[in-house]
Amino acid sequence: GAVVSQHPSRVICKSGTSVKIECRSLDFQATTMFWYRQFPKQSLMLMATSNEGSKATYEQGVEKDKFLINHASLTLSTLTVTSAHPEDSSFYICSATGGGFVSGELFFGEGSRLTVL
Amino acid sequence: GENVEQHPSTLSVQEGDSAVIKCTYSDSASNYFPWYKQELGKGPQLIIDIRSNVGEKKDQRIAVTLNKTAKHFSLHITETQPEDSAVYFCAASRNNDMRFGAGTRLTVKP
Repeated sequence: GAVVSQHPSRVICKSGTSVKIECRSLDFQATTMFWYRQFPKQSLMLMATSNEGSKATYEQGVEKDKFLINHASLTLSTLTVTSAHPEDSSFYICSATGGGFVSGELFFGEGSRLTVL
Repeated sequence: GENVEQHPSTLSVQEGDSAVIKCTYSDSASNYFPWYKQELGKGPQLIIDIRSNVGEKKDQRIAVTLNKTAKHFSLHITETQPEDSAVYFCAASRNNDMRFGAGTRLTVKP
């Protein structure tokens, strides 16, 4: 199956700093990538959808200036949490799909745990 | 938009017993229904999926059934093992727009 890798797997930062999380498709071209947020014991909540080369589409209630998403290539999307605060601490997960896959088939990264002190 | 409900939220079974998790969805246009297993601190892993043109699919100890008319689908795990313990999520998707259920924490007691 297709492989999606996230980095870093864990990051701890001070309040007010910015943190970047990378999501890479290792063996396929990801035309679309998705970013999710997951709080403890809760489901995955879609934050935004990004198509390569265009601006991300954010879900209602997600601040686009707070969570910057870049999908500049067919194998890499980044999520930058700007001016992070303790309430931004969460598990962030990406998923990706590409033109070679059946519609709806998504491949997930391993997740990145962000802790803001 | 799509709304996916999942039950039960927690499920505890004895090793060797079967486990059943049920989901309902609201958007009749959804056409892809995957199930994911998530272990602690990891991303979701696809374990089985079904499309709207199929009523049932089986892969070894895991099976999924879909009732399009009633808009519900179920995951069946037979002969459960302790390593099946995890959180399971159902999802419903249309054109890559995927929505998840709230998850079921399955515990298999040895």
